Amino acid sequence: EAQVTQNPRYLITVTGKKLTVTCSQNMNHEYMSWYRQDPGLGLRQIYYSMNVEVTDKGDVPEGYKVSRKEKRNFPLILESPSPNQTSLYFCASSLVSPESTDTQYFGPGTRLTVL
Amino acid sequence: AQKVTQAQTEISVVEKEDVTLDCVYETRDTTYYLFWYKQPPSGELVFLIRRNSFDEQNEISGRYSWNFQKSTSSFNFTITASQVVDSAVYFCALSEARNQGGKLIFGQGTELSVKP
Repeated sequence: EAQVTQNPRYLITVTGKKLTVTCSQNMNHEYMSWYRQDPGLGLRQIYYSMNVEVTDKGDVPEGYKVSRKEKRNFPLILESPSPNQTSLYFCASSLVSPESTDTQYFGPGTRLTVL
Repeated sequence: AQKVTQAQTEISVVEKEDVTLDCVYETRDTTYYLFWYKQPPSGELVFLIRRNSFDEQNEISGRYSWNFQKSTSSFNFTITASQVVDSAVYFCALSEARNQGGKLIFGQGTELSVKP
């Protein structure tokens, strides 16, 4: 089954304790992206990756890191989480074509609480 | 600047009623893409439809239909004969072709509640 998976689905942590949220897709998509969803603010892009070893900032990258060592994986790293990073996080992936923006398919979400 | 506006924050209907969710977008690009996603109470984001700016044909899929009008920069979504399972938050989103980041600009979402 074609899908985007995220782990963990739920996480409660404390300020300053490094964490990683994993994202994996089995559709051989070049493009992967992270969004966060907050009440009243909708979904905002954090980072994206056009292909292996190619990453760039989205609209709200502060406090986050990413890496793309393999095509299927795109982990989101919070080196020193703070309470304002409490949010619902989504990973997404899509094909890349020069002619169009392809549909992004989203993972199930990771609900993160930073105390 | 690109922007998506979903003016209806919440809508409540009774089962079997028809309901239309409004979406208005702003973009300077001549080539862009519009999407609708559904977020049920379980939280995941489910892709519903994608529309290219050069294709103004309306689309129907079962009880769902979409009305794309470039003249009014709108991409409205209608559910016919709504069902309780349609209860969810619905997001309209925009992506511009010139944006290499493939970023989706989301509206604030419309929470639809369908009561039995």
